[in-house]
Amino acid sequence: AQTVTQSQPEMSVQEAETVTLSCTYDTSENNYYLFWYKQPPSRQMILVIRQEAYKQQNATENRFSVNFQKAAKSFSLKISDSQLGDTAMYFCAFMTLLRGSKLTFGKGITLSVRP
Amino acid sequence: DVKVTQSSRYLVKRTGEKVFLECVQDMDHENMFWYRQDPGLGLRLIYFSYDVKMKEKGDIPEGYSVSREKKERFSLILESASTNQTSMYLCASTPRGKDEQYFGPGTRLTVT
Repeated sequence: AQTVTQSQPEMSVQEAETVTLSCTYDTSENNYYLFWYKQPPSRQMILVIRQEAYKQQNATENRFSVNFQKAAKSFSLKISDSQLGDTAMYFCAFMTLLRGSKLTFGKGITLSVRP
Repeated sequence: DVKVTQSSRYLVKRTGEKVFLECVQDMDHENMFWYRQDPGLGLRLIYFSYDVKMKEKGDIPEGYSVSREKKERFSLILESASTNQTSMYLCASTPRGKDEQYFGPGTRLTVT
C-alpha cells in the first residue's frame, strides 16, 4: 500500500520570501506520479504541480518547483517569492495508473503568508 | 475549463436520515471520485467510478454507497447518517488514462 507523509502541520512565511514544504512517500511501484494540490480558504482544490517518477528533471511551474528524490522517496515543494494568495492548505499526493488514477493524499499543511 | 459542481455547499441533516450528495462534471470524464476531508487526516477516498454503472470501493466505504447512472453524475449516498459522518465531502473527476483530478467546491455536511 502507498502512504504519503506530510509531517509539518503548519508553516508561516513572510511575503516575498521562499518556503519549502516537505513530503515523503512509500511505495513498491516504480512508475507513478506525484502531485502538489492547493486548497485556498474558498475550498476549491487545484493542481499546483506534478512530477512523473520516470523523469529525473524536477518539475517547475512559475514560482513553484519541486525537489524530487526518488531513492529517498522525497518530494518537496518550493514556493519562491511568496504571495498573499499562496495562503492555503497544500496536499502532497501520489498516484499510480495501475490503481485507476486513484490519489493517495498526505494530511496536508497549512501555509500562511504574512504581509 | 473543466467544471465540477456539487449540489450543496452546506448541508445539515439529522442522525438516521438518508442523505444524497450530488456531483456533476461537464467534460465527459470517465473517472469520478468521492473523498472526505477531515482535519489532520487529509483526503480519504470513499468510492470511485470508472464508467457508468461501474463503481469500486475506496479506502473508507463503510456507511456509504454510490450511484452512477449517467456519465456526468456521481452520487454519494449515506443510507443512515451518523454523527461521525460529519465532514467535508469532495468530488473529483478525470479522463481515463490521465492523472490530473479536477475537484468540486465541496459539501460541508453536518449530522446532528
